[in-house]
Amino acid sequence: NAGVTQTPKFQVLKTGQSMTLQCAQDMNHEYMSWYRQDPGMGLRLIHYSVGAGITDQGEVPNGYNVSRSTTEDFPLRLLSAAPSQTSVYFCASSYGMTETQYFGPGTRLLVL
Amino acid sequence: GQQVMQIPQYQHVQEGEDFTTYCNSSTTLSNIQWYKQRPGGHPVFLIQLVKSGEVKKQKRLTFQFGEAKKNSSLHITATQTTDVGTYFCAGRVKIIFGKGTRLHILP
Repeated sequence: NAGVTQTPKFQVLKTGQSMTLQCAQDMNHEYMSWYRQDPGMGLRLIHYSVGAGITDQGEVPNGYNVSRSTTEDFPLRLLSAAPSQTSVYFCASSYGMTETQYFGPGTRLLVL
Repeated sequence: GQQVMQIPQYQHVQEGEDFTTYCNSSTTLSNIQWYKQRPGGHPVFLIQLVKSGEVKKQKRLTFQFGEAKKNSSLHITATQTTDVGTYFCAGRVKIIFGKGTRLHILP
């Protein structure tokens, strides 16, 4: 199993540009989530999904959209990037919301 | 809203010294998980505690879950350079992470 994969690993955007961060898992996990990690802020939940077709907002959802058309994929979309979205983004998956989470390697995003 | 606080946020220890980080929740937790993130890496699951007063050990690491299931601790005995990283606790319900405790080891 590849586990949780994320692409790209690094990305530089200009303010106002849009992009999609990809996340995929091959463990048949129902629960997937996106976090952003900023210095001194720990991991903050952006959006999560408890299964295909179901998504919900986390702690810091503004500026981000998600969809879950399949169990395997959970892309995160930035429609109009802002410098405040410069961060490291982690995708995670688990069998259930309270089960062990498996994290992807992260995407480092810089918005100029 | 539910809060998970972790202290200290940052700590230096001499190699060989013990280290403890504490996690406190504003509400009762169903379970608590601990993760370790090496510098430049991603969080990796260490352990999950479920029962009130539960204590689990992994070699030099000892994890405790409070009787009221509102707090937890991670204690590392005789730290080694391989222990460097940030340790996160994560409580149930949308898995709210503490801000982490970054551990540095001084040789």
